Amino acid sequence: AQTVTQSQPEMSVQEAETVTLSCTYDTSESNYYLFWYKQPPSRQMILVIRQEAYKQQNATENRFSVNFQKAAKSFSLKISDSQLGDTAMYFCAFMKPPGTASKLTFGTGTRLQVTL
Amino acid sequence: NAGVTQTPKFRILKIGQSMTLQCTQDMNHNYMYWYRQDPGMGLKLIYYSVGAGITDKGEVPNGYNVSRSTTEDFPLRLELAAPSQTSVYFCASKGTSNTGELFFGEGSRLTVL
Repeated sequence: AQTVTQSQPEMSVQEAETVTLSCTYDTSESNYYLFWYKQPPSRQMILVIRQEAYKQQNATENRFSVNFQKAAKSFSLKISDSQLGDTAMYFCAFMKPPGTASKLTFGTGTRLQVTL
Repeated sequence: NAGVTQTPKFRILKIGQSMTLQCTQDMNHNYMYWYRQDPGMGLKLIYYSVGAGITDKGEVPNGYNVSRSTTEDFPLRLELAAPSQTSVYFCASKGTSNTGELFFGEGSRLTVL
């Protein structure tokens, strides 16, 4: 079974600064997907960024980027130019590729607080 | 666009009562899921379905039942509610594209007293 570990329960960053959230996972699969989801106080689950394991290039979405280290099974999220609206819980998640049951396995989350 | 719709958004139950959380999606997605999120924790999979008529257990299925009679609907039934089932419940769906993205409902907060 796959496991996802987020070792930082809480983090804080000042507005306009950069912060990196850590995630490690364990799997015997060679192809899979990794995700970062954001959950603001509204409770809605919002996809931030995704990475396909067979792609060596790190995914980027505007101010959000990942550092994907497949051999180390590490998948960190970097948020640049942090904004107050980035305050939320962030969940790292793992999925075996489509064609299987495609179940999403979540980490326990990192609570990010962006301050003035 | 409606996406994934869950009802009710909030509910308080007494121990031993039963209820059904409704979930419907209008994206013609084959895959549907029920997760629960306990305070300060990540989401854990309760049940999932890969298509109408097919359901399977996830990580924490005890105390729950599901059915999938149509592509659109995936209700979650709680029988004999217990305080341990106090949680926020999320329904999600996924299509057959290669993005792997799950689309989530807004969640249902259930309290069992």
